[in-house]
Amino acid sequence: KNQVEQSPQSLIILEGKNCTLQCNYTVSPFSNLRWYKQDTGRGPVSLTIMTFSENTKSNGRYTATLDADTKQSSLHITASQLSDSASYICVVSDRGSTLGRLYFGRGTQLTVWP
Amino acid sequence: EADIYQTPRYLVIGTGKKITLECSQTMGHDKMYWYQQDPGMELHLIHYSYGVNSTEKGDLSSESTVSRIRTEHFPLTLESARPSHTSQYLCASFGGSYEQYFGPGTRLTVT
Repeated sequence: KNQVEQSPQSLIILEGKNCTLQCNYTVSPFSNLRWYKQDTGRGPVSLTIMTFSENTKSNGRYTATLDADTKQSSLHITASQLSDSASYICVVSDRGSTLGRLYFGRGTQLTVWP
Repeated sequence: EADIYQTPRYLVIGTGKKITLECSQTMGHDKMYWYQQDPGMELHLIHYSYGVNSTEKGDLSSESTVSRIRTEHFPLTLESARPSHTSQYLCASFGGSYEQYFGPGTRLTVT
């Protein structure tokens, strides 16, 4: 069964600290993996997209890594800010640019305290 | 920022009422999607469309229906709302290069 599992379920950190969120997947065949940020009551916004051949991608203070062999990805947030408080969702696609089936994780709820 | 819009953003309605959730995008994307999301849970695909006059049901069974008469417009209708329909509904479109854009969502509460 194709699945996407994220950990931790929730995380609280102090402003300025770094954190790493984890995503493990069993989706096969694998096409690409995305990380989204979803603010409360809003739609998800894309942070990074990685294909099979990419093992790291950065977007400002966000850095995603991908190990396609172990089917693991992480999202590292550097120097956290209060505005980073949100749910971070890992999404895996099983097909190419025609947008195959998407498998969503339940997200990690990050809270940044001042 | 993607140009995809949803209205209303919040809706509280009584059981048995008919409702239509609006979704529109100005990017000319052929592929559009409706997802349902409960708090703390993953998004579930309920409908999708690959172009005008094309609609398909998604993975999660839903009593809602959709239509796609124009490329930019993909409304979702519930003929008779029930409390079990209370959820957040997210519309999305796909423009290629793996990028899927989401609207801000409609938070529906059926009393």
